[in-house]
Amino acid sequence: QKEVEQNSGPLSVPEGAIASLNCTYSDRGSQSFFWYRQYSGKSPELIMSIYSNGDKEDGRFTAQLNKASQYVSLLIRDSQPSDSATYLCAVNLYSGGYQKVTFGIGTKLQVIP
Amino acid sequence: DVKVTQSSRYLVKRTGEKVFLECVQDMDHENMFWYRQDPGLGLRLIYFSYDVKMKEKGDIPEGYSVSREKKERFSLILESASTNQTSMYLCASSLPHAAGELFFGEGSRLTVL
Repeated sequence: QKEVEQNSGPLSVPEGAIASLNCTYSDRGSQSFFWYRQYSGKSPELIMSIYSNGDKEDGRFTAQLNKASQYVSLLIRDSQPSDSATYLCAVNLYSGGYQKVTFGIGTKLQVIP
Repeated sequence: DVKVTQSSRYLVKRTGEKVFLECVQDMDHENMFWYRQDPGLGLRLIYFSYDVKMKEKGDIPEGYSVSREKKERFSLILESASTNQTSMYLCASSLPHAAGELFFGEGSRLTVL
């Protein structure tokens, strides 16, 4: 089982709709969770971090964490064509005295005008 | 703004050559990481360092080594490049209290012939 699992997509949504991106992780000891956005040909950039159960909102983005279900999601409201990118879920685990950040393979989002 | 600079954007090397990938960050971050990114496999951690002279193996260290002689510089070394090391290499840095909040460089696309 992969440590961080995401559907690779593509996920296609019409402009103005809500895009819902999902991620599951295998290690219950994971402590912090992140969403990165990666445009084609560019490097990843952090867009959201979440450290406790529940929702965290930042503008059009909402991250949701459910540690009991080992599930993280990212909602993008009022999706825009400029949101078209690959979204990477990342999980930070404290193991062996060190923190290690593990990424999922990413979900490609296409917002259709 | 944090700036992570990777010395080479594109490299073409021959099998067996020694390859150096340099990464410099200008925000006094303690943590530095090397990942490689391949289609369908996502970002995989090669090595990381949480302090000068310190290094730890990530998930795929075989065939690689690293050097961190100064806080701002983290080098990835391929002692004898092989074709299966053709990939995009991404350097990242972060602060100790926010280890998962990574700032990435622009990446180095390495092709080994």
